[in-house]
Amino acid sequence: QQQVKQSPQSLIVQKGGISIINCAYENTAFDYFPWYQQFPGKGPALLIAIRPDVSEKKEGRFTISFNKSAKQFSLHIMDSQPGDSATYFCAGSGGSNYKLTFGKGTLLTVNP
Amino acid sequence: SQTIHQWPATLVQPVGSPLSLECTVEGTSNPNLYWYRQAAGRGLQLLFYSVGIGQISSEVPQNLSASRPQDRQFILSSKKLLLSDSGFYLCAYGQGKEKLFFGSGTQLSVL
Repeated sequence: QQQVKQSPQSLIVQKGGISIINCAYENTAFDYFPWYQQFPGKGPALLIAIRPDVSEKKEGRFTISFNKSAKQFSLHIMDSQPGDSATYFCAGSGGSNYKLTFGKGTLLTVNP
Repeated sequence: SQTIHQWPATLVQPVGSPLSLECTVEGTSNPNLYWYRQAAGRGLQLLFYSVGIGQISSEVPQNLSASRPQDRQFILSSKKLLLSDSGFYLCAYGQGKEKLFFGSGTQLSVL
């Protein structure tokens, strides 16, 4: 089974707040976990990624937390801004295939 | 630097008409290439991927086909479009098995 389950489906946060999106994976062969950000009418763009040898990765206001034993990882957006309003996809890959397995996406709305 | 080109940006086609969407990649050789479809407000559905010229893997049996006539060219086709083929089509290329870089997409409306 290669599912990646993502929650919540949608999220509304006030400006300056923390946005948290969670993902869980099943395939223990996964060894790369990226997050993509997609604005309306555009293609997704790689935002940040992590490998399971670390528990956390931070880039600016974006942080991935990774829990290998629970097979879960999450994206935290600190000091959320209206410009962060977008759809976020988590994904996993690894093993012998050439595909990323994506979660179903989270529509984030940051109110001013 | 590597870039991906996808066109057209929007397309309106009648039911039963043919389709050809083209994607080209510059600045890299032997990329893995992908076609995704995204229904309005939905997730990313992988349609086809290719690891080399003439090598196509189909993920979802449907009304579409893909071809890779050149190393950095990926084409999505249909002989007869259905209403259900409407959606946002995204081409992507991959570096190895991991990072995917997406094109700007084609919004297809079948009427």
